[in-house]
Amino acid sequence: EIVLTQSPGTLSLSPGERATLSCRASQSVSGRYLAWYQQKPGQAPRLLIYDASSRATGIPDRFSGSGSGTDFTLTISRLEPEDFAVYYCQQYAGTPWTFGQGTKVEIK
Amino acid sequence: EVQLVESGGGLVQPGGSLRLSCAASGFTFSSYWMHWVRQAPGKGLVWVSRINGDGGTTLYADSVKGRFTISRDNAKNTLYLQMNSLRAEDTAVYYCARRSDYGGWFDYWGQGTLVTVSS
Repeated sequence: EIVLTQSPGTLSLSPGERATLSCRASQSVSGRYLAWYQQKPGQAPRLLIYDASSRATGIPDRFSGSGSGTDFTLTISRLEPEDFAVYYCQQYAGTPWTFGQGTKVEIK
Repeated sequence: EVQLVESGGGLVQPGGSLRLSCAASGFTFSSYWMHWVRQAPGKGLVWVSRINGDGGTTLYADSVKGRFTISRDNAKNTLYLQMNSLRAEDTAVYYCARRSDYGGWFDYWGQGTLVTVSS
């Protein structure tokens, strides 16, 4: 099983600032088969990024993903008020499908 | 518009059973693999089970293997999760999610249904 570890657990930032979220895998994620999701309180997760760096339909270009192997990053270039949420990475390179424990981006 | 609507959650005693449903619309349901993912209160996302398009292949997390059964009725555009021998640690919001047509990521999620296992 591929274990995903996200850091930091909580990121306290102000609107307009840049957010950098990390996702580290316990073994190499083949094919860069990694996705990022955003979840707001009381809502379902929403797909942001797939294949490590491809933005899903309708996702603003301030969201970008990068990385390969065991180290992946989600960057939000300039935080908007609606971006404060919890973010999860997920790998689909092997079964079982696994998620990171989440990074909460909160308003400073 | 793709829609996934879960139902069937509720309060159940330990050892009891519950069947969740996920009604799909806005896409050709039979063409897509579907998943169940759960989230315990205040916790992260955990994959539970997957079924392929014709229902012939299923996969389960070790934590639910032998207790949960995933199935689908493509004529009714509905996904199911039969949950037996429920435990307190199964308490969670259960989401159904669609696997993308182009890769293994989950492109659409339902709003979730809460299952509470307690005496």
